[in-house]
Amino acid sequence: EIVMTQSPATLSVSPGERATLSCRASQSVSSNLAWYQQKPGQAPRLLIYGASTRATGIPARFSGSGSGTEFTLTISSLQSEDFAVYYCQQYNNWLRGSFGQGTKVEIK
Amino acid sequence: QLQLQESGPGLVKPSETLSLTCTVSGGSISSSSYYWGWIRQPPGKGLEWIGSIYYSGSTYYNPSLKSRVTISVDTSKNQFSLKLSSVTAADTAVYYCAIHTAMGPFDYWGQGTLVTVSS
Repeated sequence: EIVMTQSPATLSVSPGERATLSCRASQSVSSNLAWYQQKPGQAPRLLIYGASTRATGIPARFSGSGSGTEFTLTISSLQSEDFAVYYCQQYNNWLRGSFGQGTKVEIK
Repeated sequence: QLQLQESGPGLVKPSETLSLTCTVSGGSISSSSYYWGWIRQPPGKGLEWIGSIYYSGSTYYNPSLKSRVTISVDTSKNQFSLKLSSVTAADTAVYYCAIHTAMGPFDYWGQGTLVTVSS
């Protein structure tokens, strides 16, 4: 099983500040890593795939980096609509685990 | 643009079988580009991939659920379905259908449907 571990569990950030979220895989997933944003009562929305490629319509303030086992999602200047829960997901091997437990980004 | 919509009972009794259907619009479920998947999310918790199916009928299941899960596809109705047997309260969750490529993330999601397991 590939375990995805996200940190921190909760991140308190002021609007306009930078947010950095981490995701670690228990073994290499190459660049087969995605990030999703989920707001209350909504389905997750794909933000980043291939570790660093923004999905269609995603603002440039969202960026992803990393490969292998260490990945980062950065939101350069938090807007009010960015306060949400963020999940990472490995898709290098579907049968060996998938999502991290999530990081909640809340208003400081 | 592809749209997915889950449907099915919102309440299932313990030990019974949960059955959900996902209807696809704006595209064909017979597309060779996509796999059709189910994901669930217990209230207040994280996401769990349940399984996926290719239009040809090939299935891929989460090993932790494999003994209880069946996913099938009906190309004539542009739908795919989930059956989860012997449910318990731990199966209470919002169930999402979504699509992905063979080596890709979930691109499009349905809005989700809450299924509660209770007598």
